[in-house]
Amino acid sequence: SQQGEEDPQALSIQEGENATMNCSYKTSINNLQWYRQNSGRGLVHLILIRSNEREKHSGRLRVTLDTSKKSSSLLITASRAADTASYFCATDPMDSSYKLIFGSGTRLLVRP
Amino acid sequence: KAGVTQTPRYLIKTRGQQVTLSCSPISGHRSVSWYQQTPGQGLQFLFEYFSETQRNKGNFPGRFSGRQFSNSRSEMNVSTLELGDSALYLCASSFGGWGSTDTQYFGPGTRLTVL
Repeated sequence: SQQGEEDPQALSIQEGENATMNCSYKTSINNLQWYRQNSGRGLVHLILIRSNEREKHSGRLRVTLDTSKKSSSLLITASRAADTASYFCATDPMDSSYKLIFGSGTRLLVRP
Repeated sequence: KAGVTQTPRYLIKTRGQQVTLSCSPISGHRSVSWYQQTPGQGLQFLFEYFSETQRNKGNFPGRFSGRQFSNSRSEMNVSTLELGDSALYLCASSFGGWGSTDTQYFGPGTRLTVL
């Protein structure tokens, strides 16, 4: 399978709480990207972190990358009902014919 | 700037038929990639076209093919459709440069149902 692994598979939190999603991958990468998808529609790009970066912030999003463990995490702070969606990590692998390899996704439900 | 557009948005075909999906990238983007999304296999990379040439390819059978035109628009073709080809097909465009920051922007997808 092409997929990396994400956990948890599903997450339900109250509005205002923080949500953390984790991603593990298998190969050396150029970068790792996080995407959001609402109800089986197109993917929205959230943030890209390069392989030589360890942490990146964008608004309420914080992404960390540990290339030694081949893992990344996405933190959404002060969540809102509008954050309800599926979140996917995707790696841009080095030395591969694949453009992006996606994780299995985390379904986030933010309860009002 | 207009986003990535895909046509048609929905399609119903029967087994054995063939189908062509179309993707128009963001203006200035030269790379177009295609992905298949199914509940069982998730999001899987099909292929990437850059300057009318296939540059990268995933692990799909030869029934899946594509092409890119000089204006960067791309088409994907699936021949001899099977039930398992039912999926959301997503197209993404990017500038396509080599290196570590080539962000992909996705279209809304074409939902293909094979009966």
